[in-house]
Amino acid sequence: DGGITQSPKYLFRKEGQNVTLSCEQNLNHDAMYWYRQDPGQGLRLIYYSQIVNDFQKGDIAEGYSVSREKKESFPLTVTSAQKNPTAFYLCASSIAVTANNEKLFFGSGTQLSVL
Amino acid sequence: KQEVTQIPAALSVPEGENLVLNCSFTDSAIYNLQWFRQDPGKGLTSLLLIQSSQREQTSGRLNASLDKSSGRSTLYIAASQPGDSATYLCAVCDSNYQLIWGAGTKLIIKP
Repeated sequence: DGGITQSPKYLFRKEGQNVTLSCEQNLNHDAMYWYRQDPGQGLRLIYYSQIVNDFQKGDIAEGYSVSREKKESFPLTVTSAQKNPTAFYLCASSIAVTANNEKLFFGSGTQLSVL
Repeated sequence: KQEVTQIPAALSVPEGENLVLNCSFTDSAIYNLQWFRQDPGKGLTSLLLIQSSQREQTSGRLNASLDKSSGRSTLYIAASQPGDSATYLCAVCDSNYQLIWGAGTKLIIKP
């Protein structure tokens, strides 16, 4: 089955710790995205990548980092600099960032909580 | 700055009713508008995408309309079923190809 796989489903972070959320897609999509979802708010873009070895900051990139070494993979690291990391994190992909007639496909999300 | 609003935040209706969910946006310069469904603790599933040149899109019991001039979109669900219970989100693709999201409407269909 083609799709996007996020892991783990639940993650707990201790203070001062960096944690990495995994996102893998087998849709052969060039564009990948990380969103943060907080209760009662719209999704907010953290980072996006249009192609391998390239990524751009979104609206709330501070305290996060990403890499795009392979087309299929776009891991997100929540660093200790992110002081309020508790949220639901969603990874998505599309054929291209500028393909304005293409739908977004989402993973099932990772709930990150602080211990 | 584009802003997207979905009202109401929550809606509860009896099974079988037809219903309308609303999405409004402040800047009419958009490429498209998408409606998504999200089940609790899950990712989002794209339901319908309306291009800026289109007025509506249909998929099964779902019909989405777009009125750019008034900054509004509606998602019409016919003959609602308990399985339609979910949160419905809309997002507009702005002139910079960025998606701007509403906070969603949580829909509960009572059996």
